[in-house]
Amino acid sequence: AQTVTQSQPEMSVQEAETVTLSCTYDTSENNYYLFWYKQPPSRQMILVIRQEAYKQQNATENRFSVNFQKAAKSFSLKISDSQLGDTAMYFCAFMSSSSYGGSQGNLIFGKGTKLSVKP
Amino acid sequence: EAGVAQSPRYKIIEKRQSVAFWCNPISGHATLYWYQQILGQGPKLLIQFQNNGVVDDSQLPKDRFSAERLKGVDSTLKIQPAKLEDSAVYLCASRQNRLSDTQYFGPGTRLTVL
Repeated sequence: AQTVTQSQPEMSVQEAETVTLSCTYDTSENNYYLFWYKQPPSRQMILVIRQEAYKQQNATENRFSVNFQKAAKSFSLKISDSQLGDTAMYFCAFMSSSSYGGSQGNLIFGKGTKLSVKP
Repeated sequence: EAGVAQSPRYKIIEKRQSVAFWCNPISGHATLYWYQQILGQGPKLLIQFQNNGVVDDSQLPKDRFSAERLKGVDSTLKIQPAKLEDSAVYLCASRQNRLSDTQYFGPGTRLTVL
């Protein structure tokens, strides 16, 4: 069974600085998808960034980028130029491609990291 | 494009009572998920529908939880009878089809069981 571990329950960063959130996962599969979701206090879960395991190039979305280390089963999120609106819970999630190609594709989440951006 | 809609946003009930949650996915999305998010944890899948059929309900406590998606559009999740440990946020998510890897989440329903 796949597991996702986020070892940092809480983090804080000053506005405009850079912060990195850690995520490790365990799987015996070779093809899969990894995601970072953001959940602000209003609770709406929003996709931040996604990574396909067969792609070596790290995904980037504006101020958000990942460091994907497949051999180490590590998937960290870097937020550059942090903004007050980045304050939220951040969840790392795994999706098996064996279920993706079929009709499943359910996500397995970590416990989350609470990020606070301070002015 | 409208997002995933859920209602109610909040619900408080006594233990052993019944409760139902409603979800309307993004128009045209074939796959619908219900997740349970207990405070301090990540969401955990309860049930997944593909159109109006159940794909995965292996983690649904079937003695008290039930869900349906009769016409392949909106869905209802019911708890009967509720227990204290059912206090959680219930999230609904939808996905366009099997070729899409992105799930879109609703705002959730926060259930408190007293």
